[in-house]
Amino acid sequence: AQTVTQSQPEMSVQEAETVTLSCTYDTSESDYYLFWYKQPPSRQMILVIRQEAYKQQNATENRFSVNFQKAAKSFSLKISDSQLGDAAMYFCAYRSGQNNNDMRFGAGTRLTVKP
Amino acid sequence: DTAVSQTPKYLVTQMGNDKSIKCEQNLGHDTMYWYKQDSKKFLKIMFSYNNKELIINETVPNRFSPKSPDKAHLNLHINSLELGDSAVYFCASSHVYEQYFGPGTRLTVT
Repeated sequence: AQTVTQSQPEMSVQEAETVTLSCTYDTSESDYYLFWYKQPPSRQMILVIRQEAYKQQNATENRFSVNFQKAAKSFSLKISDSQLGDAAMYFCAYRSGQNNNDMRFGAGTRLTVKP
Repeated sequence: DTAVSQTPKYLVTQMGNDKSIKCEQNLGHDTMYWYKQDSKKFLKIMFSYNNKELIINETVPNRFSPKSPDKAHLNLHINSLELGDSAVYFCASSHVYEQYFGPGTRLTVT
């Protein structure tokens, strides 16, 4: 079974600095997708970034980028120039490429941004 | 325009009651989902459904049932509510890659 592990329950970063959130996953599949979702206090789940496993290039979305290490089954999220609005729960998620119904989330990392 | 909407956003009810949460998506997606987020923020998929197939997470009690009147709607019915059903319930939809989530419904069972 696929599992997603976020080993950092809480992280803190100073405004304008950079922070990296960790995620590892376990799978026997070669075709899959990885995501980072953000959940602010409003509780809305917001997609931050997506990475297809077959792509070697790390995905980037503005200040958000990932470090995808397929062999190590690692998928970390880097937030550059952190802003107060980045404060939220961040969830790493895995979706099977073969089974659209198989989506699993990590336990989440609560990010605090200090002014 | 809201992509995935849920109603109500808050639902407070007593044990033993039956309740429904409605979900609608205007994205034209093929597949819709229901998730439960517990008090520790852990998200777990309950159901996934497209016009061909309903897949139920084996851990979900049969008091929970999804009903889809059409491709754009997937409602969640809960019978005989229990205290442990208190949680935030999210509807989501997807086409190919990522899932898009509704705003969530906070269900409180007293």
